[in-house]
Amino acid sequence: NAGVTQTPKFQVLKTGQSMTLQCAQDMNHEYMSWYRQDPGMGLRLIHYSVGAGITDQGEVPNGYNVSRSTTEDFPLRLLSAAPSQTSVYFCASTRQGAGGYTFGSGTRLTVV
Amino acid sequence: GQQLNQSPQSMFIQEGEDVSMNCTSSSIFNTWLWYKQDPGEGPVLLIALYKAGELTSNGRLTAQFGITRKDSFLNISASIPSDVGIYFCAGSGRAGGTSYGKLTFGQGTILTVHP
Repeated sequence: NAGVTQTPKFQVLKTGQSMTLQCAQDMNHEYMSWYRQDPGMGLRLIHYSVGAGITDQGEVPNGYNVSRSTTEDFPLRLLSAAPSQTSVYFCASTRQGAGGYTFGSGTRLTVV
Repeated sequence: GQQLNQSPQSMFIQEGEDVSMNCTSSSIFNTWLWYKQDPGEGPVLLIALYKAGELTSNGRLTAQFGITRKDSFLNISASIPSDVGIYFCAGSGRAGGTSYGKLTFGQGTILTVHP
């Protein structure tokens, strides 16, 4: 039981490049979310999903796309990276009706 | 933007001291959560609160869900060096909205424990 797995752990991009941050969970959780963490800002919700085929925007969705084709996977896509997207990204999942999310260990992204 | 105000922003204490931190909101939440984050890791759930007025303990940790559902506190008794980290409050299921599945986080409290 691996929990929530995020890859890669570290990534450096040039401005304008695209990439996908991967997230997978093996707990059959219906809910999955992406957060970004910046110093002094706590964690802010980017996008979330309540089940396969269903996604919605969070607090800071601009510049990011998501899709949920399976229960297990919830990738986050940056179509054209900007320096403002330099951050630590966390994926999380939980069962429907449960209060607390289980978080992955994060992806540290730097855009230069 | 952020709707949870967490205080204090940082604390420097001696090993063995008790710690108290709190979180307030302008909105009512149906669930309050407390997380701890170690350096280089994701947040780990410490305590979940589901009912207004609920008081819940997890070892040396105690948390309470405010009667108005707009606030919560976390106490740590007899602190030890491994308590060092960032503590976050989070609210889920905002009353009157469709926010189930979404967490709103406080800014975090950075705890430093001196041996």
